[in-house]
Amino acid sequence: GESVGLHLPTLSVQEGDNSIINCAYSNSASDYFIWYKQESGKGPQFIIDIRSNMDKRQGQRVTVLLNKTVKHLSLQIAATQPGDSAVYFCAEKNTGTASKLTFGTGTRLQVTL
Amino acid sequence: DAGVIQSPRHEVTEMGQEVTLRCKPISGHNSLFWYRQTMMRGLELLIYFNNNVPIDDSGMPEDRFSAKMPNASFSTLKIQPSEPRDSAVYFCASSLAPQGQFFGPGTRLTVL
Repeated sequence: GESVGLHLPTLSVQEGDNSIINCAYSNSASDYFIWYKQESGKGPQFIIDIRSNMDKRQGQRVTVLLNKTVKHLSLQIAATQPGDSAVYFCAEKNTGTASKLTFGTGTRLQVTL
Repeated sequence: DAGVIQSPRHEVTEMGQEVTLRCKPISGHNSLFWYRQTMMRGLELLIYFNNNVPIDDSGMPEDRFSAKMPNASFSTLKIQPSEPRDSAVYFCASSLAPQGQFFGPGTRLTVL
């Protein structure tokens, strides 16, 4: 029979447009957040991180926004390219758990030409 | 830096056989993590080490799974005996606290 797996939300974006991927985190004690990109057949790749004392951080073509009031994290990708097609995971670290991360289920980004 | 190195990249074995996955973390990193990724359950943390000491192994599914870190530059994840439901991609990641984790390319395990 057909296997049932995780249903990943999918965001479809046209090449050149901006992408916004959202993540709701669960733990108000989390003090560090990371976005990862996972391409097919590869391991998760670190994109950008942000600490809880910040609400915005910019990288090359990417910006992470953190809203601690509503426990929401977003990743903005400017001028999305076909190479941005991947699954994107947010991860949070609790203050008291050293390096351990809790990962979200992921969002699939599809870039259409 | 070569990044996190995992071997083998692919492993196909028969049910009941012992499987050993290997990981070399990034030099200077003091934490090492073993994850399993499947379509059904996504990315799951199995165990992690801090300064070569296991800190949290609550994600290890059963006694058939064991992990060691004999030194700062090497870790193994062993499954004995392996079962078809162990088929997954196994990732190793390392970090230098409090920074983020960097993942290896993974080992795709198929147990027939």
